Amino acid sequence: AQSVTQLDSQVPVFEEAPVELRCNYSSSVSVYLFWYVQYPNQGLQLLLKYLSGSTLVKGINGFEAEFNKSQTSFHLRKPSVHISDTAEYFCAVSDGGDDKIIFGKGTRLHILP
Amino acid sequence: DAGVIQSPRHEVTEMGQEVTLRCKPISGHNSLFWYRQTMMRGLELLIYFNNNVPIDDSGMPEDRFSAKMPNASFSTLKIQPSEPRDSAVYFCASSWTSDLATQYFGPGTRLLVL
Repeated sequence: AQSVTQLDSQVPVFEEAPVELRCNYSSSVSVYLFWYVQYPNQGLQLLLKYLSGSTLVKGINGFEAEFNKSQTSFHLRKPSVHISDTAEYFCAVSDGGDDKIIFGKGTRLHILP
Repeated sequence: DAGVIQSPRHEVTEMGQEVTLRCKPISGHNSLFWYRQTMMRGLELLIYFNNNVPIDDSGMPEDRFSAKMPNASFSTLKIQPSEPRDSAVYFCASSWTSDLATQYFGPGTRLLVL
C-alpha cells in the first residue's frame, strides 16, 4: 500500500524567506502526487498536483513542487513566504487510477515576522 | 458554486449518544469521501462512495460507524453509540469520477464527545 512521509512536523521561517517542505512517498509504478493546504479552521484545499509530464509542477499562491522519481520525493517550495502562508500543508499520494488518496501527517508552517 | 457543505460545524455530545454528520457534495460530483482528522492519527479516509454506492469502507473504525448516501446530493455519517475517542474533525470531500485526483473538501465538523 502507498504511504507518505512528511519529515518535518513544524517548519518556522521568516517572512520573505524561501521555504521547502519535504515529502517522500513509497515507490510504485505509477503515482499521482498532491499537496494540499489547510488554513486554520478550514477544510483542505488543493495547492498542486502531479499526474504525469513535467516534473516541475506549479500551483496556486506561488508554490511549486518537483517530482523526483529516483529519490521518491515531491518537495514543496516557495521562494518568498508571506504571513498569509501560515497553515498546515499535507502531501498526498495515490496509485495511478486508484480512487483513494493517502495523506501524510502534515507540516505546520510558521511564518515569523 | 457553493462548495461542499457540512453540518453541523460543531457538535458536543455525551458518551453513548447518537451523532449524525451531514454532507452535501458539489453539484455534479459523483464521488464522495468521508475523512477523520485527529492529532494522533492525522487524516484518515473512512469511506467513499461512487455514484451513491459505497466502494471502500475499510477505514470505518468499527460497527458503531455507518455511512449512507441516499442520493447524489446528500450523505450522512452516523456514530452510535458515540465514545470520547471519536472526538475529531470529520471532513467530507467530493470529486468528479473523471478527475478523482482532485478532491474538494468541506469545512469540517468538529465533534467533541464528553
